Amino acid sequence: NAGVTQTPKFRVLKTGQSMTLLCAQDMNHEYMYWYRQDPGMGLRLIHYSVGEGTTAKGEVPDGYNVSRLKKQNFLLGLESAAPSQTSVYFCATRPSGAGNQPQHFGDGTRLSIL
Amino acid sequence: AQSVTQLDSQVPVFEEAPVELRCNYSSSVSVYLFWYVQYPNQGLQLLLKYLSGSTLVKGINGFEAEFNKSQTSFHLRKPSVHISDTAEYFCAVSDPPGNDMRFGAGTRLTVKP
Repeated sequence: NAGVTQTPKFRVLKTGQSMTLLCAQDMNHEYMYWYRQDPGMGLRLIHYSVGEGTTAKGEVPDGYNVSRLKKQNFLLGLESAAPSQTSVYFCATRPSGAGNQPQHFGDGTRLSIL
Repeated sequence: AQSVTQLDSQVPVFEEAPVELRCNYSSSVSVYLFWYVQYPNQGLQLLLKYLSGSTLVKGINGFEAEFNKSQTSFHLRKPSVHISDTAEYFCAVSDPPGNDMRFGAGTRLTVKP
């Protein structure tokens, strides 16, 4: 049982390049989230999804796009990478409900933009 | 919007000593509170959660936390720490029917021999 799997684990990009981060879950959870983690700032929510075909903006959505075409996958896209997007990106999932369910995290993607 | 303040960015402590990691949140409504732990190069793992009921919540690895509504705090404690407790700890809050969760900036706990 893999839980939450993030691909790739590491990536180095040049400014202006594009890429997509994949989050795959096998827990049949409705809700999925993308966060970025920067030193001294904790986790900040980029985008989230409450079900297949739905997405919503979080706290820091600018420069990112997402898609949830299948329930088990949540993709995070960077159309034109910038050095400010150098960060560790985490995907998380949780069952549907009133916010009392904990989130389950992947191991992260470490992204460097040169 | 919810906000979470972790009052200490770093906490060094000797092995077998007690430790308290402090967390305050801002909310005027009922909330759900969580503590997560992050070991190096890993994602976050749930330590414990407060949903309702008893204000003292016990979690994994001997940790516990106390919810104090009047002080809007949810401090994490352990009576005797081990080297293996060295990690970063995050406090988080969500409010019903909240779709998202707000995290504090984290507290790095370093346990010294």
